[in-house]
Amino acid sequence: TQLLEQSPQFLSIQEGENLTVYCNSSSVFSSLQWYRQEPGEGPVLLVTVVTGGEVKKLKRLTFQFGDARKDSSLHITAAQPGDTGLYLCAGARGDKIIFGKGTRLHILP
Amino acid sequence: DSGVTQTPKHLITATGQRVTLRCSPRSGDLSVYWYQQSLDQGLQFLIQYYNGEERAKGNILERFSAQQFPDLHSELNLSSLELGDSALYFCASSVSRYSPLHFGNGTRLTVT
Repeated sequence: TQLLEQSPQFLSIQEGENLTVYCNSSSVFSSLQWYRQEPGEGPVLLVTVVTGGEVKKLKRLTFQFGDARKDSSLHITAAQPGDTGLYLCAGARGDKIIFGKGTRLHILP
Repeated sequence: DSGVTQTPKHLITATGQRVTLRCSPRSGDLSVYWYQQSLDQGLQFLIQYYNGEERAKGNILERFSAQQFPDLHSELNLSSLELGDSALYFCASSVSRYSPLHFGNGTRLTVT
């Protein structure tokens, strides 16, 4: 059983469209992190959300942490080809940082 | 550039062999994490060290072992390799517990 479930697994949309991807768990996390990974590279941190209900914006990317701190979402406005990549959410379990399987996003020009 | 260096970048070896993957963490980071990434399993946590001591273990096989040296670099040893061990192996470092992770670019291991 995956501790962090990400959906959808794959998403392919046209440039300019909006999209939302999700990270869900039955467990409470003190914080969740979002990373983006491009082919041939390691994941790169985008944001950390800490407070239940928190919303953080990074240009066209909006991250939200659920009120109960069990889930998070990433919304991208007016997607661009440069947004293509694997989006991973991660949370701490003791000293372990556990990752979801990710959403593979492909933006078509 | 994350500041985390992993060597080698690619490794091709035969079943039954043993390999060592090396990681130099970002300057100042005391924690080192090892992950295995495959297409079907995603990024799987293997083991974490903090300032030379093992702190947490994930789904690491008994054939795998790791250590962190006094200069904070870390090595992951994989022995009696099987075809299923073929994967990307990532090292990440962080300043402290719960701090964001900085990843290297991984070692791609192919077992033939």
